[in-house]
Parts: sequence; structure tokens; C-alpha cells
Amino acid sequence: KAGVTQTPRYLIKTRGQQVTLSCSPISGHRSVSWYQQTPGQGLQFLFEYFSETQRNKGNFPGRFSGRQFSNSRSEMNVSTLELGDSALYLCASSFYTDTQYFGPGTRLTVL
Amino acid sequence: TQLLEQSPQFLSIQEGENLTVYCNSSSVFSSLQWYRQEPGEGPVLLVTVVTGGEVKKLKRLTFQFGDARKDSSLHITAAQPGDTGLYLCAGASGGSYIPTFGRGTSLIVHP
Repeated sequence: KAGVTQTPRYLIKTRGQQVTLSCSPISGHRSVSWYQQTPGQGLQFLFEYFSETQRNKGNFPGRFSGRQFSNSRSEMNVSTLELGDSALYLCASSFYTDTQYFGPGTRLTVL
Repeated sequence: TQLLEQSPQFLSIQEGENLTVYCNSSSVFSSLQWYRQEPGEGPVLLVTVVTGGEVKKLKRLTFQFGDARKDSSLHITAAQPGDTGLYLCAGASGGSYIPTFGRGTSLIVHP
């Protein structure tokens, strides 16, 4: 089976812009989670989608949003980018368990 | 809030040495995962342990889940430069599918 894929791998944006990241889970996985990883904070949970519904949400501002499509692919959107949003954004999929399989991540740099 | 404490935070050793990384919590986990992450990439799942006292071996890596399912250890025998990376433990509890991640142990193995 193909693994989790994320696009794009790298992004450079300026403050105030918005960005959309895409994630395709492992075939058959219906749960998709998003994480933000920074050197200072480690891996922080953003939100999880299951069958097109947001099932869990982390403690991030409303500028961070997501959605999931009927084919389980997911997108994450960050509006009004801030310098502190620079991070590695990771998508993970799972199949009815808490074992998560991660994609390679999208490195976002906000200038 | 569940907390997973990993120790040590950093480890720099010579090729051929043995090492142990610890993951501790006050929460009981239904299962616990170990991941290895290389710079700029997503975490790669190494193992999932589910039964208290369980020991799993993956070549030179030995994983143990504590009897009370609150802690785990990862032991590497005869470390090699290819073992270099960030080792993360993660666990979920209370019926949640969303795991909590430790801050990780950064391992460098010098040739």
C-alpha cells in the first residue's frame, strides 16, 4: 500500500497570506489527523477528521481549519499567517486505532 | 491532560555503544507507540505495544511496555550511525483515538 502523501513538501509565504495543505491517507484509512511540529513545542495536535466530520480538535486558534472529502483526502488551511506559524505540518492517518501513520510533512516558512 | 515524559532529551554516543530511552506517564495507556523521525521527514512507526509487560524486538531495538501500562523503554544494542534521529513515544488513553506525544529523545551516533 502507498503511504500517506502530503503536498506541497515546502512552502514559503509572507505574513497575512493564507495557505492550504493537502494530505492523502493510506487507502482504507478513514481517520486523518493534523499536527504542527516546532523545535520548541514538539508535536502538537491540531484536529482529526473521520468520515468528513471533525471528531477532535486541539487548542489552536480559529485561523487553523480543515476539511475532509468523501475519498478521505484532507486539506488544512491557515489564514492570516503569522511568523509563529512557521513549522513542519504533519498529516497522519489511522484505521480505527490510535496507531498513526505519518506523511513526510509540509515545511511552511512564513516571512 | 496526559503528559508523556521522555528522557534523556539528548543523547550523543559512539558507534557500538548501548543506550536506553525512557517514556513515562501517570496515565494508563491502552497502547503505546514508538516512532523514529529524521530531520525534515515525518515520524516512522517502529512498534506498537499493547499488553503490560510486553517485550518486542526489532533487530537491535528492544521495546518494553511497563506492567502497569504507564511507561515504556527503548533499548538499542550496538548503536550505529543509521540509528541517528528523534525517537518519539506516543500513547492514547481514556478511549481516545488521539495519542499524546512525548517531546522526543534526539539521538546522535558518531562513527
